[in-house]
Amino acid sequence: GNSVTQMEGPVTLSEEAFLTINCTYTATGYPSLFWYVQYPGEGLQLLLKATKADDKGSNKGFEATYRKETTSFHLEKGSVQVSDSAVYFCALSGNTGNQFYFGTGTSLTVIP
Amino acid sequence: KAGVTQTPRYLIKTRGQQVTLSCSPISGHRSVSWYQQTPGQGLQFLFEYFSETQRNKGNFPGRFSGRQFSNSRSEMNVSTLELGDSALYLCASSPVVGSNYGYTFGSGTRLTVV
Repeated sequence: GNSVTQMEGPVTLSEEAFLTINCTYTATGYPSLFWYVQYPGEGLQLLLKATKADDKGSNKGFEATYRKETTSFHLEKGSVQVSDSAVYFCALSGNTGNQFYFGTGTSLTVIP
Repeated sequence: KAGVTQTPRYLIKTRGQQVTLSCSPISGHRSVSWYQQTPGQGLQFLFEYFSETQRNKGNFPGRFSGRQFSNSRSEMNVSTLELGDSALYLCASSPVVGSNYGYTFGSGTRLTVV
């Protein structure tokens, strides 16, 4: 079946630190992979996506590379800001594309 | 353009009651999906609609139902509410069926059952 495993949080970083949030997946077929971000009191916003192996998704300084050999899609940012504080969700779209399978979310707090 | 609109934003209901939540997708989006978010279970898929037809359903009891109208607006209904139904209910829309494109989510309806 399909599933996503994310690193446990919460994560606390100082401003300008390097961020990595690990995400691995199990899937049949060739899923698309996504990172969503949720700010307090809001819904989920699409941060970036990759639809095939070796694709790199990027947005707002965040990057993630679809690694089929390690079934991973780790989120990285070189220098985090206080405004990046949020909960980050890794997700995959099943082979039939009918639904998302979400990870449990990783809470990030960036302190000045 | 306007995003995904969910109403109401907050709702308090009593056990045993029923509730209807509404979702208006982005103009031109014909696929609408619903997710339940709780601290314990995370984000769980409820169902997806496209062109007024339910295309997929998650593992929820029959008390959870939904429908989609010809203008793509969608409603979900929960009957005989239980305390465990307290959650943030998120609606998401996409221009095409299936989730490979990526969904746009609304801000959600926070349901509290007392």
